[in-house]
Amino acid sequence: QKEVEQNSGPLSVPEGAIASLNCTYSDRGSQSFFWYRQYSGKSPELIMSIYSNGDKEDGRFTAQLNKASQYVSLLIRDSQPSDSATYLCAVRVNRDDKIIFGKGTRLHILP
Amino acid sequence: NAGVMQNPRHLVRRRGQEARLRCSPMKGHSHVYWYRQLPEEGLKFMVYLQKENIIDESGMPKERFSAEFPKEGPSILRIQQVVRGDSAAYFCASSPPGGRVNEKLFFGSGTQLSVL
Repeated sequence: QKEVEQNSGPLSVPEGAIASLNCTYSDRGSQSFFWYRQYSGKSPELIMSIYSNGDKEDGRFTAQLNKASQYVSLLIRDSQPSDSATYLCAVRVNRDDKIIFGKGTRLHILP
Repeated sequence: NAGVMQNPRHLVRRRGQEARLRCSPMKGHSHVYWYRQLPEEGLKFMVYLQKENIIDESGMPKERFSAEFPKEGPSILRIQQVVRGDSAAYFCASSPPGGRVNEKLFFGSGTQLSVL
């Protein structure tokens, strides 16, 4: 059974601090990794994608991938109250192309 | 609006009725995914389709649920004889053609199904 695991939270972070969100996956052959943000009552929106080991930065967001440890993370620098949302980790399964999501981590930025 | 269009936004059905959920992908996208989301839960994969072809339906219950994506028109997720446990938000997402490993999903606004 292919799985994507996340801590459900809530994760509370003071405004201006770094928020760190973590995700592990079970299928060692996975090749594509995504972070989606979902506000309450809204649909998910893609914020980061990463395909190679290491770090990928986009503005205040940094995605980190470690395929040997089957671990992907998202760092949010200078956290803002508008970052308060649920963050979903998603993994593209190599062989059959479906994309599997974790249950998400609720992030709360404290003003 | 060039985004993924889902309708209806809200659908109320009584137990035993049929529910039909529609999804029109983004222009140029030929792949459609359906996911179900319960409150405080993540997105559960149901089915992955391209035009006139089901690629993967491993997440869809064998009974009462079906999906199609015809050559013309939207993708349809059909739930027959609904039960209260079918109440959930159903999201559709689309991606460009090609099946490349770097595809990303674009989501519609979802259909909230409520079974009375």
